[in-house]
Amino acid sequence: AQRVTQPEKLLSVFKGAPVELKCNYSYSGSPELFWYVQYSRQRLQLLLRHISRESIKGFTADLNKGETSFHLKKPFAQEEDSAMYYCALSGLTGANNLFFGTGTRLTVIP
Amino acid sequence: DAGVIQSPRHEVTEMGQEVTLRCKPISGHNSLFWYRQTMMRGLELLIYFNNNVPIDDSGMPEDRFSAKMPNASFSTLKIQPSEPRDSAVYFCASSLLGSLNSPLHFGNGTRLTVT
Repeated sequence: AQRVTQPEKLLSVFKGAPVELKCNYSYSGSPELFWYVQYSRQRLQLLLRHISRESIKGFTADLNKGETSFHLKKPFAQEEDSAMYYCALSGLTGANNLFFGTGTRLTVIP
Repeated sequence: DAGVIQSPRHEVTEMGQEVTLRCKPISGHNSLFWYRQTMMRGLELLIYFNNNVPIDDSGMPEDRFSAKMPNASFSTLKIQPSEPRDSAVYFCASSLLGSLNSPLHFGNGTRLTVT
């Protein structure tokens, strides 16, 4: 069965410091991994997906199949990065039927 | 496009009452999902539909929960009777099945409080 683990419910960093939000998964097949973000008073929205290999708002995430991880990283945190971040997994193409982790609330301290 | 539309935004009800949450997916999307968000469990998938057909309802907590999608532009999630432990934010999301470039689009959610 698929499972997504985000070990940190809360994470605080100072502005300008590096940030890493951890995500580990378990899935028997080839997963598709995503990061979704929810800013205050906004909808949950897609931040990035591993197949795109892109950097969005300075964030990157590399799929490490050996460690079954998909950690989200940013070298220099900004105040506007404060939000709730969810790691999600899909076992099918097309982002159908996503399974989410419990989320990490990131607070960037000015 | 207004995106996924959910109503009501907030619902406060007493234990034992019936609650109906509504969702209008993005026009043209053919997959619809209902999620529940709580502090302890994060986002849990309750049920999802492809082309109006329920595909997986294994996440529905109990028989008190039911969901319907009578047509491509409308879905409901009903709780009868409601209990205090049902208090959560319920999200509806839609996407285009089979499209690699179609992420889930979420509504603003319905915050349910059962007293």
